[in-house]
Amino acid sequence: AQTVTQSQPEMSVQEAETVTLSCTYDTSESDYYLFWYKQPPSRQMILVIRQEAYKQQNATENRFSVNFQKAAKSFSLKISDSQLGDAAMYFCAYVAGGTSYGKLTFGQGTILTVHP
Amino acid sequence: GAGVSQSPRYKVTKRGQDVALRCDPISGHVSLYWYRQALGQGPEFLTYFNYEAQQDKSGLPNDRFSAERPEGSISTLTIQRTEQRDSAMYRCASSLDSGRYEQYFGPGTRLTVT
Repeated sequence: AQTVTQSQPEMSVQEAETVTLSCTYDTSESDYYLFWYKQPPSRQMILVIRQEAYKQQNATENRFSVNFQKAAKSFSLKISDSQLGDAAMYFCAYVAGGTSYGKLTFGQGTILTVHP
Repeated sequence: GAGVSQSPRYKVTKRGQDVALRCDPISGHVSLYWYRQALGQGPEFLTYFNYEAQQDKSGLPNDRFSAERPEGSISTLTIQRTEQRDSAMYRCASSLDSGRYEQYFGPGTRLTVT
């Protein structure tokens, strides 16, 4: 079974600085996708960024980028120029290709605090 | 266009009652998913549909839980004979197609069983 682990229950960062959230996963699949979701206090689930396993290039979305290390099964999220609105719980998620399409497996989450 | 909508947003029910939670996916999205999220944890998969076909229901906790999507659009998650342990946030998500596309989540239904 696939598992997703976020080893940092909480992280904090000063406004305008950079923070990296860690995620590791375990799978025997070769075809899969990885995502980061943001859950602010409103408890909405907002997609931040996605990475296809077959792509070597790390995904980037504005201030958000990932460091995807396929051999190490690591998928970290870097937030640059942190803003107060980035404060939220962040979840790493995995979905496999093939017959298990559709089932997102989430990590335990990391609470990010942004200090002004 | 409109995002995923869910209703009701909040539901308080007494133990033993049946509840029906509704999800209206993004227009044109083929795949629809149900998850359950406890406070402070990540969502856990319950079931998903491609069009009207239920492809995977392995995450449904027991036979009190069922889901349908009869016309391939709106879906209903039904919990019969609710128990206090069913209290959670129930989330619906949709995607253009299963797996290879990102899933977009609705606001969730907060269910409280008293």
